[in-house]
Amino acid sequence: EADIYQTPRYLVIGTGKKITLECSQTMGHDKMYWYQQDPGMELHLIHYSYGVNSTEKGDLSSESTVSRIRTEHFPLTLESARPSHTSQYLCASRDVGEGTEAFFGQGTRLTVV
Amino acid sequence: RKEVEQDPGPFNVPEGATVAFNCTYSNSASQSFFWYRQDCRKEPKLLMSVYSSGNEDGRFTAQLNRASQYISLLIRDSKLSDSATYLCVVKRVVNAGNNRKLIWGLGTSLAVNP
Repeated sequence: EADIYQTPRYLVIGTGKKITLECSQTMGHDKMYWYQQDPGMELHLIHYSYGVNSTEKGDLSSESTVSRIRTEHFPLTLESARPSHTSQYLCASRDVGEGTEAFFGQGTRLTVV
Repeated sequence: RKEVEQDPGPFNVPEGATVAFNCTYSNSASQSFFWYRQDCRKEPKLLMSVYSSGNEDGRFTAQLNRASQYISLLIRDSKLSDSATYLCVVKRVVNAGNNRKLIWGLGTSLAVNP
């Protein structure tokens, strides 16, 4: 089993609230990712990091922000949640090198009402 | 046209059937290839990496054709528990740097029926 954890698993929150989705991994991986996925739809990369103090925006524009102050921690923040942010957010990490697989957390299912 | 393309399906097959999924990629700088499995409302999990010589893991066989930029996954003697979405993933170099990027296909949905 992968040692990558996301909290909370489920979150229902009101419009306008600030939220932080947590992602932690204990594998020492430098590379971490946040994906957004709606039910039955494809994975969209919204943020990634190649190491501490490195963050980049992904392919899908997102109003969320991320930080990478520690190797093991890659939180995602929404300053003001809106119903359009309702989705599943999946965090992943992988080691450097050829052929290394990505390990996913169990995801956070966010509903903004 | 997407960089990694898969037939979305759904594939509906009876138990015991053999089913094959195809995936094509357009960027010749692609270096590593994977098949992931994603169950409904769950996170993707690695099913198998795909090696140039082809590889097999039990009922699953993966093949890579670099010349045609094509990857396949064959499932033999399919089980009910094989029902899931199968994601083709390609890793390639980003620009001229040393960084690599994972490119995900949309996935192929498989339903194995009793």
